[in-house]
Order: sequence, then C-alpha cells, then structure tokens
Amino acid sequence: AQTVTQSQPEMSVQEAETVTLSCTYDTSENNYYLFWYKQPPSRQMILVIRQEAYKQQNATENRFSVNFQKAAKSFSLKISDSQLGDTAMYFCAFTSYSGAGSYQLTFGKGTKLSVIP
Amino acid sequence: GAVVSQHPSWVICKSGTSVKIECRSLDFQATTMFWYRQFPKQSLMLMATSNEGSKATYEQGVEKDKFLINHASLTLSTLTVTSAHPEDSSFYICSAREGLAGLLQYFGPGTRLTVT
Repeated sequence: AQTVTQSQPEMSVQEAETVTLSCTYDTSENNYYLFWYKQPPSRQMILVIRQEAYKQQNATENRFSVNFQKAAKSFSLKISDSQLGDTAMYFCAFTSYSGAGSYQLTFGKGTKLSVIP
Repeated sequence: GAVVSQHPSWVICKSGTSVKIECRSLDFQATTMFWYRQFPKQSLMLMATSNEGSKATYEQGVEKDKFLINHASLTLSTLTVTSAHPEDSSFYICSAREGLAGLLQYFGPGTRLTVT
C-alpha cells in the first residue's frame, strides 16, 4: 500500500515571501502521479499542480512549482510571492493505476498554510 | 468545464433517520465516482468507489449497509446514510473521474452532515 507523509502540520509565511511545503511518499510502483491539492476555507478541493513520475522535469504552474526527487521519494511544493488567497490546507496526494482502472488517490494529512499580511 | 456539484451543501437530521446526498457531474460523463469523508482538521478518507451500473467497492472498515451508494447514471451518484447517528456527522465529499481511463478527479464542494 502507498503512504503519503506531510511532516508539517502548520506553516506560516509573510505575504510576498516564498514557502516550501514538504511531502514524502512510499511506493513500490514505478509509474505513478503526484498532486498537490489546495482546500481553502470554503472546503472546495482545488488541484494546484501535478507531476508524472516518468518526467524528470519539475512541474510548474505560475507561482507554484515542485521539487520532485524520485529516488528520495520526495515531492515538495514551493509557493513564490505568497498571496493572502493562498491561505488554505494543502494536501499532497499519490495515485497509480490500480488495475481496476480507478486511479484512487491517497492523501497526506495536510499542511495548514497561513499567509500573514 | 469539469464541474461537479453536490446537494445539499448542508443538512441536519435526527438520529435514526436516513439522509441522501447527491453528486452530479455537470458537463462530462463520470464513469467512476468516489466518496470521501473528512473529519475536522483531518485529511480525506476514501469511503468507496462507484462505477456506473455496478455495485460500489467499499474501503475496509466502511459499512456498506450503512452507507448506501448508487451510481445509476453517468452523471449521478448518491450516498445514503441510513439510520444516522451523531458519530456519522462529518463532511462528505464526492469526486468524479471522466471516462474509463481518466486520471484526474474533479471534486464536488462537499456536504456537511450534522446528526442530532
């Protein structure tokens, strides 16, 4: 079974600064996908960024980028130029083809990020 | 595109009654839908996976007779909490996957259930 670990329950960052959220995972699969989801106070889950394990290049989406270290099974999220709207719970998630075609997601416990004005 | 809705967004029911939560994919056909439960300040826990036209697959520890899931069409799945008790109070989130091999899950806005 896959596991996803987020070791930082809470973090804070000053507005306009940069923050990095950590995530490690454990799997015996070789082909898989990793995601960062954001859950703001509205509780709507929003996909922030995704990374395919077979791609060596780190994914980027505007102010969001990842540092994917496949050998170390590490997948950290960097948020640059933090904005007040980035305040949310951030979940790291893993999925692989389960054989039943379902691509089930395994979530970490989350990191609560507060952006301070 | 890829919008998933849930109804109701918030429901209060009395202990012993049943409540139904609907999950709809608005602009795509969802072959597979997932139901999650989220307790306050915790992560999402997968309850079950449902494929259109077949029985749901429940995760270990989830009572299938208590949490009835029906996925009768490609755009609608329902979760019925039967004989609800206060410990069933939680935030329930559905997600939908497009097509047979779609990777991404699109999440609904969630339903807050309070059992008194």
